[in-house]
Amino acid sequence: GAGVSQSPSNKVTEKGKDVELRCDPISGHTALYWYRQSLGQGLEFLIYFQGNSAPDKSGLPSDRFSAERTGGSVSTLTIQRTQQEDSAVYLCASRGPGTQGGEQYFGPGTRLTVT
Amino acid sequence: GNSVTQMEGPVTLSEEAFLTINCTYTATGYPSLFWYVQYPGEGLQLLLKATKADDKGSNKGFEATYRKETTSFHLEKGSVQVSDSAVYFCALSTAGNNRKLIWGLGTSLAVNP
Repeated sequence: GAGVSQSPSNKVTEKGKDVELRCDPISGHTALYWYRQSLGQGLEFLIYFQGNSAPDKSGLPSDRFSAERTGGSVSTLTIQRTQQEDSAVYLCASRGPGTQGGEQYFGPGTRLTVT
Repeated sequence: GNSVTQMEGPVTLSEEAFLTINCTYTATGYPSLFWYVQYPGEGLQLLLKATKADDKGSNKGFEATYRKETTSFHLEKGSVQVSDSAVYFCALSTAGNNRKLIWGLGTSLAVNP
């Protein structure tokens, strides 16, 4: 596609429910990142996928967070038993192979509100 | 560890004023440096980048020079416009860290006509 797409754009959920956020990267981009943007914490790295390699999960804040990337393309970020502190904008970015300097291209984000 | 520090906002300027937003970094190895911009209601966009010392990134009248000796990557524009009102983020990435972006906290810029 022309750019990174994410869905839904907004999600309101009740505390304790599970949510799934979807990211569709730029076609041909092998690297995919999830970040979180929240008022108190700024922008934080969550997880990184590169091809068929094991993902870098070092940024996931708790074991309630997980992500997968199927077929090297679409990724889903799942948050189980949501808490109010999970409220944030979740951003997905992709990076192409051979990108000098490693610039990433971002989707519009999913705004998650946990009530 | 790697980190980015950028000047706190908000910054308020009149149209055609000169803009500087300071950014300094700490990194292991040789990072790539970026400025991203987030316009109101929009997503993050890459504004400019520099991948090695003394490189100058430029775009839309904005410039930033990678200064290894002062570990800085200050953003400048000679004459701002109302349409430049946005939040600006400085960031770095390193090859040894999966190119994950390490971010500054962002600087909000408001340009008044």
